[in-house]
Amino acid sequence: KQEVTQIPAALSVPEGENLVLNCSFTDSAIYNLQWFRQDPGKGLTSLLLIQSSQREQTSGRLNASLDKSSGRSTLYIAASQPGDSATYLCAVAGNTPLVFGKGTRLSVIA
Amino acid sequence: DGGITQSPKYLFRKEGQNVTLSCEQNLNHDAMYWYRQDPGQGLRLIYYSQIVNDFQKGDIAEGYSVSREKKESFPLTVTSAQKNPTAFYLCASSIDGREQYFGPGTRLTVT
Repeated sequence: KQEVTQIPAALSVPEGENLVLNCSFTDSAIYNLQWFRQDPGKGLTSLLLIQSSQREQTSGRLNASLDKSSGRSTLYIAASQPGDSATYLCAVAGNTPLVFGKGTRLSVIA
Repeated sequence: DGGITQSPKYLFRKEGQNVTLSCEQNLNHDAMYWYRQDPGQGLRLIYYSQIVNDFQKGDIAEGYSVSREKKESFPLTVTSAQKNPTAFYLCASSIDGREQYFGPGTRLTVT
């Protein structure tokens, strides 16, 4: 059964810092991996989707990488801003519906 | 505007009452999903439907029921059999099951 782990559970950084969020999964037979952002009390907003054949995807200050063989993905946020404060979740798609990690709660301090 | 709507945003019920949460999408997606989110627990799948008139149980289906009579709609009923129904409920849809789009959620409080 696929399991997804996100470390750390919470992270606090000063504004302007570059940071990396980690996601690991136990079964490398995946179709894609999706990163989401969730603001308090809101739904999930899709940030990036990486197909299993891809190594990385970029959108603005965000870059997500995927290493299927080692079961790992990272979300890199450049020049962090207070508006980036949110919970970030990763989810993997395989033969079953999406399996989610528990998320990393990010606080960017001005 | 294409998207997923959930209503209401907040819902309050007395213990022992059934309650139905609405989820509608105009994205023409075949698949729809219901998740429950509790603090520190991540998202847990309740039910999903890959096509009209068909649905499957997820990891925590006990105490919940769904229907899928129309492609656009996938309502979730929280029954009195659900032992701890207070939670944040999220609906999602997908064209292929592999990339999902989420609604804004409904926070249910049962007292």
